[in-house]
Amino acid sequence: NAGVTQTPKFQVLKTGQSMTLQCAQDMNHNSMYWYRQDPGMGLRLIYYSASEGTTDKGEVPNGYNVSRLNKREFSLRLESAAPSQTSVYFCASKSGPNPYNEQFFGPGTRLTVL
Amino acid sequence: GDSVTQMEGPVTLSEEAFLTINCTYTATGYPSLFWYVQYPGEGLQLLLKATKADDKGSNKGFEATYRKETTSFHLEKGSVQVSDSAVYFCALANRDDKIIFGKGTRLHILP
Repeated sequence: NAGVTQTPKFQVLKTGQSMTLQCAQDMNHNSMYWYRQDPGMGLRLIYYSASEGTTDKGEVPNGYNVSRLNKREFSLRLESAAPSQTSVYFCASKSGPNPYNEQFFGPGTRLTVL
Repeated sequence: GDSVTQMEGPVTLSEEAFLTINCTYTATGYPSLFWYVQYPGEGLQLLLKATKADDKGSNKGFEATYRKETTSFHLEKGSVQVSDSAVYFCALANRDDKIIFGKGTRLHILP
């Protein structure tokens, strides 16, 4: 099993450009998440999806959109990138809402917006 | 709302020293508690967890005990190694489908 995969690993954008970060998991998990990680801020939830066809806002959703394309894939889109979106982005998945279940993380995408 | 507070770093220790990273939480009900570790350039991975009061989670020489009376879940290791250098996150999960993370503690182990 590959677990959670993310593409690309690195990306540099200019202000105003758009891009989509891709995430896929092969563990048949229902729940998927997008986080951003900034120095001194820990992990902040951007959006999450409890199941295929549903998405909900997290703590910092402004400037982002998501698509739960199917059970495996959950993409994050930046429509008009801003320097404040420079960060490391992590996708994660979890088998379901049971609080005992752990989240599994991808390797991250390091995004720089100039 | 639910929250997690952990000691700020960085924490710098010599190899074979004793490690404690403090974590306290605020939550209603009976959350599950986790420690995740992030090695340089990687995503987070689960280190250990505990799902009810007085449970002890353990893995790779690390331990943490779920203390409901003090709302704490401190991470300990008796003898750290250089390879333990990483960022450690305390986290909790409650009734909904989300995990709440602390801000992380960076650990440096000197040879």
